[in-house]
Amino acid sequence: GQQVMQIPQYQHVQEGEDFTTYCNSSTTLSNIQWYKQRPGGHPVFLIQLVKSGEVKKQKRLTFQFGEAKKNSSLHITATQTTDVGTYFCAGTTSGTYKYIFGTGTRLKVLA
Amino acid sequence: DSGVTQTPKHLITATGQRVTLRCSPRSGDLSVYWYQQSLDQGLQFLIQYYNGEERAKGNILERFSAQQFPDLHSELNLSSLELGDSALYFCASSPDPRMNTEAFFGQGTRLTVV
Repeated sequence: GQQVMQIPQYQHVQEGEDFTTYCNSSTTLSNIQWYKQRPGGHPVFLIQLVKSGEVKKQKRLTFQFGEAKKNSSLHITATQTTDVGTYFCAGTTSGTYKYIFGTGTRLKVLA
Repeated sequence: DSGVTQTPKHLITATGQRVTLRCSPRSGDLSVYWYQQSLDQGLQFLIQYYNGEERAKGNILERFSAQQFPDLHSELNLSSLELGDSALYFCASSPDPRMNTEAFFGQGTRLTVV
């Protein structure tokens, strides 16, 4: 079945350092979404990417969708303590309604 | 506040028992998704309903069942509970059946099986 893996599983960074998490799907995706879950909280939608090679930015966050639509990345520039949490990608393939979440990357930012 | 309401917030029950988790989606959303999140784990897709009909099924155990009612609220029934069923259960809703827009998650129900 469809699998969505994320690396790394954990990342500790010093405040001000950059951070990147990668999302890889075993199948071609129709679109991909990114969510952030703060410790003790629920997933909150960040962004959706639909087009091959698409790049979107939200302030210090840059999201990319691979040309083959099988991978994606989230890059945070100059991390802040407020960036702490687990970042999930979630994707679906055409013809299905299943939205499969990646394994998540837990980010810790050291002040 | 996402607009998705889940009750109860916490539930402690014994092995072998049956529980029902409830989800009220955002006003106007027709799709409801259920996810299971075990301790420090990812989100496992269980099942999706759209306007009362089951649309997609994930790795949902036979001991688990769900339904969506005419008023669009949904219930997840877990029976013959085992210790390994202890987890956070999230409900999410979105307007369309393919989640082509963002999904809004509830606060979750933390189930502890003892």
